[in-house]
Amino acid sequence: AQSVTQLGSHVSVSEGALVLLRCNYSSSVPPYLFWYVQYPNQGLQLLLKYTSAATLVKGINGFEAEFKKSETSFHLTKPSAHMSDAAEYFCAVTLDPNTGKLIFGQGTTLQVKP
Amino acid sequence: DGGITQSPKYLFRKEGQNVTLSCEQNLNHDAMYWYRQDPGQGLRLIYYSQIVNDFQKGDIAEGYSVSREKKESFPLTVTSAQKNPTAFYLCASSPWTGAHSYEQYFGPGTRLTVT
Repeated sequence: AQSVTQLGSHVSVSEGALVLLRCNYSSSVPPYLFWYVQYPNQGLQLLLKYTSAATLVKGINGFEAEFKKSETSFHLTKPSAHMSDAAEYFCAVTLDPNTGKLIFGQGTTLQVKP
Repeated sequence: DGGITQSPKYLFRKEGQNVTLSCEQNLNHDAMYWYRQDPGQGLRLIYYSQIVNDFQKGDIAEGYSVSREKKESFPLTVTSAQKNPTAFYLCASSPWTGAHSYEQYFGPGTRLTVT
């Protein structure tokens, strides 16, 4: 069965430091993978997606993620954190490509310290 | 501008009352979804619809009902049978065509408080 695990419910970095948010998935079919960001009391915004094209995916706001099949991972990175990056981040995997349903991880709250 | 609207942003109800949350999209997407979000539990799927006049239960459908009479609208009713209805509710849509799985686009959410 498909599942998503985000390692670390809270991650804290200093402004200007590397951001690394971890996501591991389990899927019995070739996965589609997504990263979303959520600011307080708002909906989710798509950061980037992997749909079996290039394994290194670039998204908005300077974020990127690399699909590693051997490690079943899709970690999100950003070279230099900005205060505005403070938010909750969700990794998601396609549950069933025939229905479009997604499974979401529990979320990782990113804190950026000045 | 194309997008998904949810209204109202905040909703307060007394226990035992049914309440309907609105979700409208003008993206011409086929599929629509309702999620419930609770602190520390991520998003859980309540109902989804891939086509007008058809919808399926998600993982936590008990105590909820939906309709899909128009492509652009997918209202969610939280009934009095829902044991713990206080939560943040998110609506999403996707240009699902049946052949590929596409990303979902989310509305701004409705925070429901039942006392």
